[in-house]
Amino acid sequence: NAGVMQNPRHLVRRRGQEARLRCSPMKGHSHVYWYRQLPEEGLKFMVYLQKENIIDESGMPKERFSAEFPKEGPSILRIQQVVRGDSAAYFCASSPLPDSYEQYFGPGTRLTVT
Amino acid sequence: AQKITQTQPGMFVQEKEAVTLDCTYDTSDQSYGLFWYKQPSSGEMIFLIYQGSYDEQNATEGRYSLNFQKARKSANLVISASQLGDSAMYFCAMREGRGGSNYKLTFGKGTLLTVNP
Repeated sequence: NAGVMQNPRHLVRRRGQEARLRCSPMKGHSHVYWYRQLPEEGLKFMVYLQKENIIDESGMPKERFSAEFPKEGPSILRIQQVVRGDSAAYFCASSPLPDSYEQYFGPGTRLTVT
Repeated sequence: AQKITQTQPGMFVQEKEAVTLDCTYDTSDQSYGLFWYKQPSSGEMIFLIYQGSYDEQNATEGRYSLNFQKARKSANLVISASQLGDSAMYFCAMREGRGGSNYKLTFGKGTLLTVNP
């Protein structure tokens, strides 16, 4: 039973480019959460998605960031026109239910903006 | 105000000794859950232990136990018989509220634990 998969594990982008981060939840999980970890900080909630729906994006920056979880395929976190401040680790988690006591985390994608 | 406070940026412990990592939380909800995660240098987030606000017993998982003091709003992690592999960043986290609204985890800034041989 594979865990939460994220790819790529490391991503380097130049300022102004687009970054696409992918997350495949655990089998049977239809709830996906994205968190961002800035250097020397704890994780901060960004967005919660169910299949084809954004439930809560209150933690997403207002511009340049978007997320989707299509009917087929992985969840995608997209960052357009990246800036140095976007350099962080981005974690995806999944759960079978929204109030499941545990969220299963993926290994994270480390984005570096040069 | 910070919802999760971890006052120890770094802690050192000798191998085989016990160590307590502090966590205090702030919520007005009656129903909430408290979590501890371990983040080794490789970067993944590993779930360690969970305590529900209505749980009367302190949670235990192997060498990990959670010292839950509700009146003081503290949820300290105790690691017994430390091992070199325990060296990592440890995060305390909380989920507030009931039902479908309590999915957000709020994390503290973490404590870096170093186990010395």
